[in-house]
Formats: sequence, structure tokens, C-alpha cells
Amino acid sequence: AQSVTQLDSQVPVFEEAPVELRCNYSSSVSVYLFWYVQYPNQGLQLLLKYLSGSTLVKGINGFEAEFNKSQTSFHLRKPSVHISDTAEYFCAVSLIYNQGGKLIFGQGTELSVKP
Amino acid sequence: EPEVTQTPSHQVTQMGQEVILRCVPISNHLYFYWYRQILGQKVEFLVSFYNNEISEKSEIFDDQFSVERPDGSNFTLKIRSTKLEDSAMYFCASRTQGTGVSYEQYFGPGTRLTVT
Repeated sequence: AQSVTQLDSQVPVFEEAPVELRCNYSSSVSVYLFWYVQYPNQGLQLLLKYLSGSTLVKGINGFEAEFNKSQTSFHLRKPSVHISDTAEYFCAVSLIYNQGGKLIFGQGTELSVKP
Repeated sequence: EPEVTQTPSHQVTQMGQEVILRCVPISNHLYFYWYRQILGQKVEFLVSFYNNEISEKSEIFDDQFSVERPDGSNFTLKIRSTKLEDSAMYFCASRTQGTGVSYEQYFGPGTRLTVT
């Protein structure tokens, strides 16, 4: 079975500081990888995805993530955060062979950016 | 920009009652999904729907649950006899057919279901 672990439930950080949100996955088959963000009272919005190719993926709002197959990780990074980045961040995987494309989510990481 | 919409935003119901959660996916999308998130827990997959039938369902999606696409625009989740443990945020999502760049699922804002 596949699983996704987000190692930090909450990450407080000061504005303009760098941040890394960690995500590890477990799967015996190849997966696609995603990061979604959820702002208060809104749905989940795709930040970025890794399907194939370059392991460094750039997304919206200045976020990027690096796929590391040997460590089965897909950590999300931003060099300088803003107050508006305060939100819940979800890492997810989808099995490549699964045409239905269901997403398997991690527990979420609450990013809190303080002035 | 097109978006997935869900109604109602909050539904309160008594245990044993039937509820229908409604979703309007993005118009040219062909795959539809329901997920739920119990407070403080992971977002969990419930069911996927394609070509007017269920393509996959999770263990959570038992006989109490059903999905329907009654017309060309709506996608509904019905819970026949709600239990306290059905209290959760329910998210609808949709995506286009195919793989690669079209693999993104677009999520609605969710319906918070409270069973009392």
C-alpha cells in the first residue's frame, strides 16, 4: 500500500525567512507527486507537481520542490515567505498506472508566517 | 477561471438522516472525485467516477454511500443514513481525461457535514 508522511504538523516561520516543508512517501510502484495548498475557507489548489523529467519542480507563488527517488522524498521549499503564504499544505501521490488517478494525501502541514 | 463549486457550504443533519452533497465540476472535465477530511485527520479518497460509473472506491465508501451524475453538470454524493463518524469536510474534485499535464485535479471549497 502507498502512504505519504508529512513530518511536521505545524511550521511557524518569520516573514522573509526560508521554509522547507517535508514530505516522504512509501510506494512499491512509481508515483506522480503533488503539493496542494489550502487557504482558509477555500478548496485545495495545486502548487506544483512532479510527473517526470527534471527532479526540481517550480510551482506557483515562488515555491519549488525536489523529487529524491532514493530518499523517497518530495520536500517543498520557498526562499522567502510572505504573510500571505500562511495556509495548510498537503503533499500527495498518485500511482502512475492508476488511470483513475486517485490522490493519497499526507496529514498536512500548517504553515504560519509571522511578521 | 473555471472552478469547481459545491453546495451547501455547511450541512447539519441528525443521525440516521439522508444527505446529498452537490458539486458542479468544471464543464469539460471527465473524471470526478469525492474526498473527505475528518477534523484533524488526512484528506481521504472516497470514490472516483468516469464515463457514468464508479472507477474506483475506497473501503470507506460502503453501501451507505452513492454517487450520481444526474445531468450534464452536477455530481452528487449521497449518504443514506448518516452516522456521527460521517462528520467531516467533503471535497469534490474533477480533471480532464488523459495523463501528463492534464493530471491535475481541481478541488471545490468543500462542504462541512455535521452529524448530530
